[in-house]
Amino acid sequence: AQSVSQHNHHVILSEAASLELGCNYSYGGTVNLFWYVQYPGQHLQLLLKYFSGDPLVKGIKGFEAEFIKSKFSFNLRKPSVQWSDTAEYFCAVTNTGTASKLTFGTGTRLQVTL
Amino acid sequence: GAGVSQSPRYKVAKRGQDVALRCDPISGHVSLFWYQQALGQGPEFLTYFQNEAQLDKSGLPSDRFFAERPEGSVSTLKIQRTQQEDSAVYLCASSLDRRSSYEQYFGPGTRLTVT
Repeated sequence: AQSVSQHNHHVILSEAASLELGCNYSYGGTVNLFWYVQYPGQHLQLLLKYFSGDPLVKGIKGFEAEFIKSKFSFNLRKPSVQWSDTAEYFCAVTNTGTASKLTFGTGTRLQVTL
Repeated sequence: GAGVSQSPRYKVAKRGQDVALRCDPISGHVSLFWYQQALGQGPEFLTYFQNEAQLDKSGLPSDRFFAERPEGSVSTLKIQRTQQEDSAVYLCASSLDRRSSYEQYFGPGTRLTVT
């Protein structure tokens, strides 16, 4: 069975600081990788996704993630965070087989202070 | 356009009561997923429909949980004889297609509290 680990449970940063959130997955086959974000009081929404090709993926709002197959990792990065990035971030994986059910990590709560 | 909607948004049930949670997916979306999110955890897969067919129910935690999507659009998740451990947010997501290349759009969730 596949699993996803997010080691940072709660991260506090000042505005303009750089962000890197860790995500490691466990699965023996080919995977698709996602980062979802949940802003306070809002739905889960897709931030970015990786299926194939360039392992550096760019998403919305200046976020990017790098897929490192040898490390089973898909870390999320942003060079300079804003107060509005305060949210919960979830890494998720599906296999490339049939039904695309998502396996999520436990999430990282990001708090950006002014 | 309209996104995925869920009702009710909040539900308080006494232990032993039955509850029904509704999901209205985005119009035309073939695939529909239910997830359960316990406090402090990520969402966990419960079940999946393609149109009206329930193709995967491997995540349903017990036979007290039942889901249906009779006409291939609206779906209902029913929990019989609720227990305290059923307290969670229940999320519905829909997708244009079953393949993972199609984004899953999530609803706001129903927060179920069992007292």
